[in-house]
Amino acid sequence: EVQLVESGGGLVQPGGSLRLSCAASGFTFSRYAMSWVRQAPGKGLEWVSVISGSGVSTYYADSVKGRFTISRDNSKNTVYLQMNSLRAEDTAIYYCAKDHYNSGRIAMIPDYWGQGTLVTVSS
Amino acid sequence: DIQMTQSPPSLSASVRDRVTITCRASESISKYLNWYQQKPGKAPKLLIFAASSLQSGVPSRFSGSGSGTDFTLTISSLQPEDFATYYCQQSHSAPYSFGQGTKLEIK
Repeated sequence: EVQLVESGGGLVQPGGSLRLSCAASGFTFSRYAMSWVRQAPGKGLEWVSVISGSGVSTYYADSVKGRFTISRDNSKNTVYLQMNSLRAEDTAIYYCAKDHYNSGRIAMIPDYWGQGTLVTVSS
Repeated sequence: DIQMTQSPPSLSASVRDRVTITCRASESISKYLNWYQQKPGKAPKLLIFAASSLQSGVPSRFSGSGSGTDFTLTISSLQPEDFATYYCQQSHSAPYSFGQGTKLEIK
């Protein structure tokens, strides 16, 4: 059974940093691209970032480029999102998700999602 | 960047109704279009990928069609558990944008 468990969310002041983790199980982690998608309170879904199975390829939304860094440790079956220079508008539930195809390349078709972790940026 | 526009933003319907939600891309995305269902307090669920491929375990009353810039999600006979918010998402190129969502409510 595929499981994705996010952690690391919480309350942080504007300008602060936070690192989210997503622990995966139930599939061959290194064969799948992984992504982060967020949802501000009462709002729609916003794609944040994606990383290929090998970790070589990464992409970011313009709204987080230069501030957020996605990475993965295939030996730990974990994907990370390092978030720096946080702003109030980054407040959201952050979901990690597994890509649909096992090629390792980025298809950006999230078929399994974690339960999400809440990040609140406020003074 | 590719913009995704869904219509309508909200929709009221009854059980056993046939419902169609549309999604338009600002430029051609071939068939790189996916549909998700989200219920309150839950993570999104993949319904349809590559415009018309039904995800495993998803009931056959859900179907998708379209290519290029215009796409539709159809629910052939609404069931009580289908009342939720639906999102389209393009997987053609980064940034991988979502539509703004369509909230399907009980009439």
